[in-house]
Amino acid sequence: NAGVTQTPKFRILKIGQSMTLQCAQDMNHNYMYWYRQDPGMGLKLIYYSVGAGITDKGEVPNGYNVSRSTTEDFPLRLELAAPSQTSVYFCASSSSSATGELFFGEGSRLTVL
Amino acid sequence: AQKVTQAQTEISVVEKEDVTLDCVYETRDTTYYLFWYKQPPSGELVFLIRRNSFDEQNEISGRYSWNFQKSTSSFNFTITASQVVDSAVYFCALSEEAGRRALTFGSGTRLQVQP
Repeated sequence: NAGVTQTPKFRILKIGQSMTLQCAQDMNHNYMYWYRQDPGMGLKLIYYSVGAGITDKGEVPNGYNVSRSTTEDFPLRLELAAPSQTSVYFCASSSSSATGELFFGEGSRLTVL
Repeated sequence: AQKVTQAQTEISVVEKEDVTLDCVYETRDTTYYLFWYKQPPSGELVFLIRRNSFDEQNEISGRYSWNFQKSTSSFNFTITASQVVDSAVYFCALSEEAGRRALTFGSGTRLQVQP
């Protein structure tokens, strides 16, 4: 029962470095999402995908890119990391049914110094 | 645009007290879903309940109960006889019926239950 798997769980980056957060789900869900959670705040939507080959911006997309080449994988790319991107990142997925429930990964804590 | 407001930033209670977490939402959709998630200190998000906009019946699950009132756009969460293990951040969220079907989250309420 893997569900939604995120790697890495923790990462420290220097300003200007780049990295990719990996997200994979084994539930054959069409919808996938990336959220960020800043300290003491709720989750904000960065990017989402409604199916393989289709991605779109959420509320806070600046500084990030995504791709969705397969149904299972939805990596999040950080280019030129900045301290403002220090956050906890959550990947989530949901099915095409109208139930609305999102299944979340365990989160990836990123610190940019 | 959708919005979820959790006005209570932090609540502290003593064990065995009842506590209610407030949630007010805004949406133009006629069909939508409301959620509560729990985030314990370990950081993961734990799904607690989903309620669709056509079902206003209150729900009880053990010590947890939820009061959904469309007239006031509220979806409040009550914990009866709170326990130390209930200490966590609780998020209310609103889902869109169509399109991207993303969740819009409130800012969360941190509940501390003191022994």
